[in-house]
Amino acid sequence: GQSLEQPSEVTAVEGAIVQINCTYQTSGFYGLSWYQQHDGGAPTFLSYNALDGLEETGRFSSFLSRSDSYGYLLLQELQMKDSASYFCAVRGISSGSARQLTFGSGTQLTVLP
Amino acid sequence: DTGVSQNPRHKITKRGQNVTFRCDPISEHNRLYWYRQTLGQGPEFLTYFQNEAQLEKSRLLSDRFSAERPKGSFSTLEIQRTEQGDSAMYLCASRSARPPTNEKLFFGSGTQLSVL
Repeated sequence: GQSLEQPSEVTAVEGAIVQINCTYQTSGFYGLSWYQQHDGGAPTFLSYNALDGLEETGRFSSFLSRSDSYGYLLLQELQMKDSASYFCAVRGISSGSARQLTFGSGTQLTVLP
Repeated sequence: DTGVSQNPRHKITKRGQNVTFRCDPISEHNRLYWYRQTLGQGPEFLTYFQNEAQLEKSRLLSDRFSAERPKGSFSTLEIQRTEQGDSAMYLCASRSARPPTNEKLFFGSGTQLSVL
């Protein structure tokens, strides 16, 4: 099976940079995804890393290191609207896990003025 | 792309009653998922459909839960003899089989179930 660990809470000020880490244990996976969820809202896709390295999408970047079983989401120029929960997730390659996305328990980001 | 639609948005029921939720995925998506989420936790996988076939079901899912996807379009999730522990947000998601968006799950807004 898969398990993912994230910090439960992170706080930062507007305009700052914050990094949300994700460590995982899996017997094999296609890639690492990140989702954002505002209170009362649906999770929305942010980024996906199939390969090691950095993927950049505007103010958000995501990184994966398979050898370290580690990834992170980097948020730059933080805005108040970035206050939300952030989830890392993997889709395993072994039978029984290849069809489902397994999520971490999420990191609650609070952006202060 | 009209998005994933779920209804009802909220359902309050008494313990022991049956409830049914509906999900309409994005029309060209042949893969459909049901997840359950409780406060402060990540979405927990329940079941997966590829077209009309239910290919995966969580070991955590009791036999009180059943899901269908007739004709590979909309899906329903039924919970029989509800228990207070079933209270949660039930999320539906769909995805395409075609790159480059095949790893991207599109979620609906969910159905919040409260069992009294």
